[in-house]
Amino acid sequence: EAGVTQFPSHSVIEKGQTVTLRCDPISGHDNLYWYRRVMGKEIKFLLHFVKESKQDESGMPNNRFLAERTGGTYSTLKVQPAELEDSGVYFCASSQDFREGRLGQFFGPGTRLTVL
Amino acid sequence: KNEVEQSPQNLTAQEGEFITINCSYSVGISALHWLQQHPGGGIVSLFMLSSGKKKHGRLIATINIQEKHSSLHITASHPRDSAVYICAVIRESSGDKLTFGTGTRLAVRP
Repeated sequence: EAGVTQFPSHSVIEKGQTVTLRCDPISGHDNLYWYRRVMGKEIKFLLHFVKESKQDESGMPNNRFLAERTGGTYSTLKVQPAELEDSGVYFCASSQDFREGRLGQFFGPGTRLTVL
Repeated sequence: KNEVEQSPQNLTAQEGEFITINCSYSVGISALHWLQQHPGGGIVSLFMLSSGKKKHGRLIATINIQEKHSSLHITASHPRDSAVYICAVIRESSGDKLTFGTGTRLAVRP
């Protein structure tokens, strides 16, 4: 079974440009999370989808960030326009709850974003 | 102050040594994860626990809910264990989102 995949693995853009990150969760996982680690800091939560609905977007830093999950499958995270402080590694994770108990989240390899 | 604190931040060990990484948290939680990230690699979930102890191979994770503390132990450490180990909690009443510690960078020398 394929794990969580993310594209691209690296992206280098100039300040003011637009970048779109993509996450494909494990097939059948209803829950999809976006996290971000900026240099020297801990990983922080951005938002959580349940299927196509935004369950919690309390971690989104500002309105330059737009996340979508049309059809409840893959998700995109768009940054427009990008700023220097947006540089970091963006992780996606997915999970599915089972009646017997909650399983852990499965992480993708991350997208390293560098804004110059 | 972070809600999840790890110690030590950096750790160097000799191959074969017993290693302990500690995690303390200041909020009520429903579960705690231990995660591993190799250099340039993705994040792998090692354990998710809400009470007691779990063991997988040479790795052991324990949690004391009353003391708000968890430990990750590695027995007979090996250079391939070199990685960043991250503690993350699921806070009570906050859905499934994780709150992360800053990680412990472990280097095991042959």
